[in-house]
This record gives sequence, C-alpha cells and structure tokens, in this order.
Amino acid sequence: NAGVTQTPKFQVLKTGQSMTLQCAQDMNHNSMYWYRQDPGMGLRLIYYSASEGTTDKGEVPNGYNVSRLNKREFSLRLESAAPSQTSVYFCASSEWSSGNTIYFGEGSWLTVV
Amino acid sequence: EDQVTQSPEALRLQEGESSSLNCSYTVSGLRGLFWYRQDPGKGPEFLFTLYSAGEEKEKERLKATLTKKESFLHITAPKPEDSATYLCAVQAVTNFGNEKLTFGTGTRLTIIP
Repeated sequence: NAGVTQTPKFQVLKTGQSMTLQCAQDMNHNSMYWYRQDPGMGLRLIYYSASEGTTDKGEVPNGYNVSRLNKREFSLRLESAAPSQTSVYFCASSEWSSGNTIYFGEGSWLTVV
Repeated sequence: EDQVTQSPEALRLQEGESSSLNCSYTVSGLRGLFWYRQDPGKGPEFLFTLYSAGEEKEKERLKATLTKKESFLHITAPKPEDSATYLCAVQAVTNFGNEKLTFGTGTRLTIIP
C-alpha cells in the first residue's frame, strides 16, 4: 500500500530554473495538498485541491503553481526558482468521509542555489 | 487566524521517565485536533485525532487529551524508539473538501537509553 508518493526525493536547482514536483495517491481521496516545511516555521500550506478540477491558494502560494491532473495526481511547479524556495515539500491527501485525516508523503528536499 | 503553539521546543528524557508535551491552540471553530509523529527525513505520520473537549485517545505509550484551549500528549515510560518530533495541528470547521491543517512547530523528543 503506497499511500502518497512524491518525486523526486532530492533536487538541486539554480536560481531561475523551473521544475515540477509530482505527487500521486492511491487512497481514492478527493482532497490533496502541498505543504512546505522550514526550520522554526512548521508546516505551511502552499496550495490545496478539494476535488479534481479545483485548486485554491493556501498560506504561502507566491512563486508556485499547481495542477490537479486527475483524482490521483497533484503537481507543484516552480516557474522561476528562488533561494527562498529552498525547503522540504510534502504532498498530502485526505477524504471527508474518512474522518478528514490528512496523510503525508515522504517529502521532497529542494535546494535552490 | 488559527494558531497553534507547542511547548517545549525540545525535551530530553531518560528511558522510562514519563512526561507531557503541550499544544495550545486558537481556532474559529474546531473540527479536530491532530497529533503526528515525524522522524528525521520522513513525512509526518498520523497518531491521533481528537474532536471535543474531554476526549482522550491512547496508543501504546502515548495518550492524547483535549481541552477547549489545549491538548496534551502524555508519554508513559518512553523508550528510545519514541524519539521523534511530535507535531500538533488543528483543523477548523470550513467548507466541504477543505480539510487543511494549521500546524505548530513541533516538540523534538529525545529518549536517552
């Protein structure tokens, strides 16, 4: 049972480069999320998707775009990476009818130099 | 704005020495309070959800309790494998499909053999 799978696990980017973080879940959840985790800041919500075809901004959306490709997949794109986007990124999913518990992936470590 | 404050930031205990972690919160309307465990280099792992004041849940050496303003995670006779960062998060009563969490910064627990 894979749960929430993220790729890549590690990435180094140069300032100004673009990249996409991929996420897929196999729990048939409607809601999916992207969080970032920084030392001393806790986990902060970047974007979320309540269902296929919908996306909404979270607490820190600037510099990011998302795509809910289908029910399983939710990608996060950095169009022009900045050093401030160096962080650990977590994808997550949940289902209203299953108690609202949010399940997380293993994380993607991104360094922008 | 929803807020979560966890204390202490770090806690070192001898194996077998019981203690409690605190999570204070303010939220417009609480749907649920969540506890997660996070090991280094891993994503948060779900432990408990508490929904109303007075509720308690247990799992092995961990017991979570909830009041109207705070939650405690009690750890009884801890073992070295309980060493991890423990995260608290609140989920507000919001629109359907928007089960996003607001996290605290965590308590880093170290159990010394």
